[in-house]
Amino acid sequence: QKEVEQNSGPLSVPEGAIASLNCTYSDRGSQSFFWYRQYSGKSPELIMSIYSNGDKEDGRFTAQLNKASQYVSLLIRDSQPSDSATYLCAVNIRPGANNLFFGTGTRLTVIP
Amino acid sequence: EADIYQTPRYLVIGTGKKITLECSQTMGHDKMYWYQQDPGMELHLIHYSYGVNSTEKGDLSSESTVSRIRTEHFPLTLESARPSHTSQYLCASSELVAGGLDEQFFGPGTRLTVL
Repeated sequence: QKEVEQNSGPLSVPEGAIASLNCTYSDRGSQSFFWYRQYSGKSPELIMSIYSNGDKEDGRFTAQLNKASQYVSLLIRDSQPSDSATYLCAVNIRPGANNLFFGTGTRLTVIP
Repeated sequence: EADIYQTPRYLVIGTGKKITLECSQTMGHDKMYWYQQDPGMELHLIHYSYGVNSTEKGDLSSESTVSRIRTEHFPLTLESARPSHTSQYLCASSELVAGGLDEQFFGPGTRLTVL
Protein backbone atom coordinates (compact mmCIF):
# COMPACT_ATOMS: atom_id res chain seq x y z
CA GLN A 1 0.00 0.00 0.00
CA LYS A 2 1.32 3.42 -0.95
CA GLU A 3 1.73 6.04 1.75
CA VAL A 4 -0.44 8.53 -0.14
CA GLU A 5 -3.10 7.60 -2.65
CA GLN A 6 -5.08 9.74 -5.05
CA ASN A 7 -7.50 9.01 -7.86
CA SER A 8 -5.45 9.82 -10.94
CA GLY A 9 -8.51 11.02 -12.84
CA PRO A 10 -8.89 12.71 -15.16
CA LEU A 11 -11.60 14.69 -13.40
CA SER A 12 -13.61 16.99 -15.63
CA VAL A 13 -15.93 19.69 -14.31
CA PRO A 14 -17.74 22.53 -16.10
CA GLU A 15 -16.65 26.10 -15.50
CA GLY A 16 -18.26 27.51 -12.36
CA ALA A 17 -18.79 24.11 -10.72
CA ILE A 18 -17.17 22.75 -7.56
CA ALA A 19 -14.24 20.40 -8.11
CA SER A 20 -13.64 17.86 -5.34
CA LEU A 21 -10.27 16.15 -5.05
CA ASN A 22 -9.58 13.39 -2.55
CA CYS A 23 -6.52 11.86 -0.95
CA THR A 24 -6.02 9.05 1.55
CA TYR A 25 -2.92 8.27 3.56
CA SER A 26 -1.73 5.16 5.35
CA ASP A 27 0.09 6.36 8.48
CA ARG A 28 -2.11 7.44 11.38
CA GLY A 29 0.82 9.39 12.83
CA SER A 30 0.86 11.82 9.92
CA GLN A 31 0.93 15.41 11.10
CA SER A 32 0.63 17.81 8.21
CA PHE A 33 -0.99 17.77 4.81
CA PHE A 34 -0.47 19.83 1.72
CA TRP A 35 -2.06 20.41 -1.65
CA TYR A 36 0.11 21.44 -4.57
CA ARG A 37 -0.96 22.46 -8.05
CA GLN A 38 1.29 21.42 -10.93
CA TYR A 39 0.76 22.69 -14.45
CA SER A 40 2.10 20.52 -17.25
CA GLY A 41 5.87 20.89 -17.53
CA LYS A 42 6.07 23.11 -14.45
CA SER A 43 7.05 22.60 -10.82
CA PRO A 44 4.56 22.12 -7.96
CA GLU A 45 3.06 25.24 -6.40
CA LEU A 46 1.80 25.14 -2.81
CA ILE A 47 -1.84 26.18 -2.58
CA MET A 48 -3.05 24.86 0.79
CA SER A 49 -1.68 23.37 3.98
CA ILE A 50 -3.71 21.91 6.84
CA TYR A 51 -2.74 20.45 10.20
CA SER A 52 -5.94 20.22 12.24
CA ASN A 53 -9.14 18.28 11.71
CA GLY A 54 -11.84 20.25 9.97
CA ASP A 55 -11.95 22.75 7.17
CA LYS A 56 -9.54 25.47 6.14
CA GLU A 57 -10.61 28.03 3.57
CA ASP A 58 -8.49 30.30 1.40
CA GLY A 59 -10.34 32.13 -1.35
CA ARG A 60 -11.94 29.60 -3.67
CA PHE A 61 -10.03 26.72 -2.08
CA THR A 62 -11.11 24.67 0.95
CA ALA A 63 -9.03 21.89 2.43
CA GLN A 64 -10.76 19.32 4.61
CA LEU A 65 -8.96 16.97 6.98
CA ASN A 66 -10.37 13.91 8.73
CA LYS A 67 -7.61 12.17 10.66
CA ALA A 68 -9.90 9.43 12.00
CA SER A 69 -10.72 8.37 8.43
CA GLN A 70 -7.24 9.24 7.14
CA TYR A 71 -8.32 11.38 4.28
CA VAL A 72 -7.79 14.91 3.15
CA SER A 73 -9.69 16.64 0.40
CA LEU A 74 -9.52 19.83 -1.63
CA LEU A 75 -12.59 21.68 -2.87
CA ILE A 76 -12.29 24.28 -5.59
CA ARG A 77 -15.35 26.51 -5.85
CA ASP A 78 -16.31 28.42 -9.00
CA SER A 79 -13.81 26.39 -11.03
CA GLN A 80 -12.05 28.27 -13.81
CA PRO A 81 -10.26 26.94 -16.92
CA SER A 82 -7.03 28.23 -15.36
CA ASP A 83 -7.54 25.68 -12.56
CA SER A 84 -6.90 22.89 -15.07
CA ALA A 85 -3.78 21.18 -13.73
CA THR A 86 -2.62 18.17 -11.76
CA TYR A 87 -3.23 18.47 -8.01
CA LEU A 88 -0.75 16.71 -5.77
CA CYS A 89 -1.50 15.66 -2.22
CA ALA A 90 1.54 15.56 0.07
CA VAL A 91 1.75 14.21 3.60
CA ASN A 92 4.39 14.62 6.27
CA ILE A 93 4.36 11.10 7.67
CA ARG A 94 7.18 11.25 10.18
CA PRO A 95 6.74 13.71 13.03
CA GLY A 96 9.90 15.70 13.58
CA ALA A 97 11.13 15.09 10.06
CA ASN A 98 10.40 17.04 6.94
CA ASN A 99 10.02 14.23 4.47
CA LEU A 100 6.96 14.72 2.34
CA PHE A 101 5.34 11.77 0.62
CA PHE A 102 3.46 12.68 -2.52
CA GLY A 103 0.56 11.06 -4.28
CA THR A 104 0.66 10.63 -8.05
CA GLY A 105 -1.79 13.51 -8.45
CA THR A 106 -5.28 14.01 -9.83
CA ARG A 107 -5.55 15.64 -13.23
CA LEU A 108 -8.33 18.23 -13.28
CA THR A 109 -9.82 19.68 -16.45
CA VAL A 110 -12.26 22.61 -16.21
CA ILE A 111 -14.39 22.80 -19.33
CA PRO A 112 -15.35 26.34 -20.47
CA GLU B 1 12.51 39.22 -4.67
CA ALA B 2 12.92 36.09 -2.55
CA ASP B 3 12.89 33.02 -4.74
CA ILE B 4 14.41 29.63 -5.48
CA TYR B 5 16.45 29.15 -8.66
CA GLN B 6 17.59 26.13 -10.60
CA THR B 7 20.05 25.93 -13.50
CA PRO B 8 20.14 24.66 -16.11
CA ARG B 9 16.43 24.34 -16.85
CA TYR B 10 17.07 21.75 -19.54
CA LEU B 11 20.13 19.56 -20.06
CA VAL B 12 20.84 16.90 -22.70
CA ILE B 13 24.07 15.06 -22.11
CA GLY B 14 25.87 11.89 -23.14
CA THR B 15 26.40 8.81 -21.03
CA GLY B 16 29.39 8.93 -18.69
CA LYS B 17 29.53 12.70 -18.30
CA LYS B 18 29.76 14.38 -14.91
CA ILE B 19 27.03 16.93 -14.29
CA THR B 20 26.08 19.33 -11.52
CA LEU B 21 22.57 20.69 -11.14
CA GLU B 22 22.52 24.02 -9.37
CA CYS B 23 19.96 25.18 -6.81
CA SER B 24 20.01 28.47 -4.95
CA GLN B 25 17.45 30.20 -2.77
CA THR B 26 17.21 33.76 -1.51
CA MET B 27 14.39 32.99 0.92
CA GLY B 28 16.64 32.59 3.95
CA HIS B 29 15.52 29.00 4.50
CA ASP B 30 17.70 26.54 6.40
CA LYS B 31 16.13 23.39 4.98
CA MET B 32 16.56 22.33 1.35
CA TYR B 33 15.54 19.26 -0.62
CA TRP B 34 16.01 17.48 -3.95
CA TYR B 35 13.17 15.50 -5.48
CA GLN B 36 13.02 13.39 -8.62
CA GLN B 37 9.85 13.17 -10.71
CA ASP B 38 9.21 11.04 -13.78
CA PRO B 39 6.26 11.92 -16.09
CA GLY B 40 2.93 10.98 -14.52
CA MET B 41 4.60 9.73 -11.40
CA GLU B 42 4.88 11.00 -7.85
CA LEU B 43 7.77 13.05 -6.53
CA HIS B 44 10.39 11.11 -4.61
CA LEU B 45 12.80 12.67 -2.13
CA ILE B 46 16.43 11.86 -2.97
CA HIS B 47 18.38 14.25 -0.70
CA TYR B 48 17.75 16.82 1.99
CA SER B 49 19.69 19.18 4.19
CA TYR B 50 18.79 20.90 7.46
CA GLY B 51 21.61 23.43 7.21
CA VAL B 52 25.24 24.03 6.33
CA ASN B 53 27.33 20.83 6.35
CA SER B 54 24.18 18.73 6.87
CA THR B 55 23.09 16.32 4.12
CA GLU B 56 20.98 13.18 4.25
CA LYS B 57 19.75 10.66 1.71
CA GLY B 58 16.05 10.56 1.05
CA ASP B 59 13.60 7.74 0.54
CA LEU B 60 14.54 7.02 -3.08
CA SER B 61 17.96 5.53 -3.65
CA SER B 62 20.00 7.76 -5.90
CA GLU B 63 23.51 7.65 -7.33
CA SER B 64 23.76 11.42 -7.02
CA THR B 65 25.53 13.34 -4.27
CA VAL B 66 24.88 16.75 -2.75
CA SER B 67 26.77 19.34 -0.75
CA ARG B 68 25.74 22.25 1.48
CA ILE B 69 28.64 24.61 2.01
CA ARG B 70 26.53 27.76 1.98
CA THR B 71 23.01 28.18 3.32
CA GLU B 72 21.64 29.44 0.03
CA HIS B 73 23.27 26.84 -2.26
CA PHE B 74 22.47 23.10 -2.57
CA PRO B 75 23.99 21.58 -5.73
CA LEU B 76 23.40 18.00 -6.88
CA THR B 77 26.12 16.08 -8.73
CA LEU B 78 26.07 12.96 -10.89
CA GLU B 79 29.61 11.64 -11.36
CA SER B 80 28.74 9.51 -14.40
CA ALA B 81 25.38 10.10 -16.03
CA ARG B 82 23.40 7.17 -17.42
CA PRO B 83 20.13 6.99 -19.40
CA SER B 84 18.39 5.75 -16.21
CA HIS B 85 19.08 9.19 -14.70
CA THR B 86 16.79 10.82 -17.25
CA SER B 87 14.14 12.61 -15.18
CA GLN B 88 12.99 15.95 -13.81
CA TYR B 89 14.93 17.12 -10.76
CA LEU B 90 13.15 19.54 -8.42
CA CYS B 91 14.81 21.55 -5.69
CA ALA B 92 12.79 22.86 -2.75
CA SER B 93 13.33 24.81 0.43
CA SER B 94 11.10 25.13 3.45
CA GLU B 95 10.20 27.60 6.13
CA LEU B 96 8.82 27.04 9.59
CA VAL B 97 5.23 28.16 9.98
CA ALA B 98 2.85 28.22 12.91
CA GLY B 99 2.58 24.91 14.72
CA GLY B 100 6.26 24.00 14.26
CA LEU B 101 5.75 22.51 10.83
CA ASP B 102 7.35 23.31 7.50
CA GLU B 103 5.94 24.35 4.15
CA GLN B 104 8.05 23.45 1.14
CA PHE B 105 8.42 25.66 -1.93
CA PHE B 106 9.79 24.41 -5.22
CA GLY B 107 12.15 25.81 -7.81
CA PRO B 108 11.33 25.58 -11.54
CA GLY B 109 13.11 22.24 -12.00
CA THR B 110 15.81 20.83 -14.28
CA ARG B 111 14.75 18.41 -16.97
CA LEU B 112 17.70 16.05 -17.58
CA THR B 113 18.02 13.76 -20.59
CA VAL B 114 20.94 11.36 -20.77
CA LEU B 115 21.55 9.84 -24.19
